[in-house]
Amino acid sequence: AQKVTQAQTEISVVEKEDVTLDCVYETRDTTYYLFWYKQPPSGELVFLIRRNSFDEQNEISGRYSWNFQKSTSSFNFTITASQVVDSAVYFCALSEVNNAGGTSYGKLTFGQGTILTVHP
Amino acid sequence: DVKVTQSSRYLVKRTGEKVFLECVQDMDHENMFWYRQDPGLGLRLIYFSYDVKMKEKGDIPEGYSVSREKKERFSLILESASTNQTSMYLCATRLLYEQYFGPGTRLTVT
Repeated sequence: AQKVTQAQTEISVVEKEDVTLDCVYETRDTTYYLFWYKQPPSGELVFLIRRNSFDEQNEISGRYSWNFQKSTSSFNFTITASQVVDSAVYFCALSEVNNAGGTSYGKLTFGQGTILTVHP
Repeated sequence: DVKVTQSSRYLVKRTGEKVFLECVQDMDHENMFWYRQDPGLGLRLIYFSYDVKMKEKGDIPEGYSVSREKKERFSLILESASTNQTSMYLCATRLLYEQYFGPGTRLTVT
């Protein structure tokens, strides 16, 4: 069975600080996808990034960067120079491609979420 | 832009009532999902549907059922609401890889 762990329940930083959100996953599949979602106070989950298991290149998008390390089963998310608008709950998620020979239909397994608060 | 709408943002129901949560998408996606979100537990999959009239149980289906009569609409049904079903319910759709979420329904069962 697959599992995603976000050990940091809550993080509090002051604006302009860098912050890293940790994500560790478990899966028996060799082919899978990893995701990060942001849930602002409005409640709607917003897709941030997708990574497939064969692509270990790190990715940067503006102030956001992601570090995927298969050797440690981790997919960490760093926000550089944080801003108050970054305050949200962040979820890491895993999707297996095939489930016991069938198809998983893209079912997501989510971590517990990390509440990030950025203070002005 | 993908648009996923849910019938209510907030809902208050009494124990034992039958509750319908509706989700509608406008992108012709085949896969639709219902999750519940609880503090410290993240999102947990209740049911999903991979085509009209096709459904499969997720990780926590007990106490719930679903209906998908049309491609764009996926309903979650609480047959007899209980207080432990007080939660945030999120609907999502998927075409290829990532899922797209609706705004959520915060259900309180008293």
